[in-house]
Amino acid sequence: QKEVEQDPGPLSVPEGAIVSLNCTYSNSAFQYFMWYRQYSRKGPELLMYTYSSGNKEDGRFTAQVDKSSKYISLFIRDSQPSDSATYLCAMSRGGSNYKLTFGKGTLLTVNP
Amino acid sequence: DTAVSQTPKYLVTQMGNDKSIKCEQNLGHDTMYWYKQDSKKFLKIMFSYNNKELIINETVPNRFSPKSPDKAHLNLHINSLELGDSAVYFCASSQDQGTGLIEQYFGPGTRLTVT
Repeated sequence: QKEVEQDPGPLSVPEGAIVSLNCTYSNSAFQYFMWYRQYSRKGPELLMYTYSSGNKEDGRFTAQVDKSSKYISLFIRDSQPSDSATYLCAMSRGGSNYKLTFGKGTLLTVNP
Repeated sequence: DTAVSQTPKYLVTQMGNDKSIKCEQNLGHDTMYWYKQDSKKFLKIMFSYNNKELIINETVPNRFSPKSPDKAHLNLHINSLELGDSAVYFCASSQDQGTGLIEQYFGPGTRLTVT
């Protein structure tokens, strides 16, 4: 079993839809849970992060972590064509452990 | 100003050749990384240096050798290139702010094609 599992999609939705992206993981030592966004032919950039369990909201984006189920989600409300990208979940133990473990990424297309 | 830059952006070469990719960051970060992203978009850590000291060395063929001349630069040299080395290689950097979260900033990537 891979440490981090993510459905690669692709996922295609109409503009304005609510998008749900998910990852599961097996390593209970992970403390920081991140979502990176990667546009085509670009490097990934950090979109949001959550420490331990709980929710975090930033504009149209909401990140959720359920450590008991080892399951994390990213919700995008009122999706826009500019949200079309690959979304990668990433996790780390935090502190002095610098290693990020990524999911495979989900390719999202928002159609106008 | 580009925060993390890589050269070259594209690299096409033949099997058996030796090539280098260079990375520079102007963010003043202490830690730099090399990642490999395969054709299925899977991003995997290869190496990491903190203040010029190797701190992450994943299971990577020893044909790959990172070198950090100073904390703003991290280069990747690849010997005897193979078809399976074709991928996009990303450099990243980070600075430990003492919060527990290590935010990594990625470069634009180097697309390596081995023919």
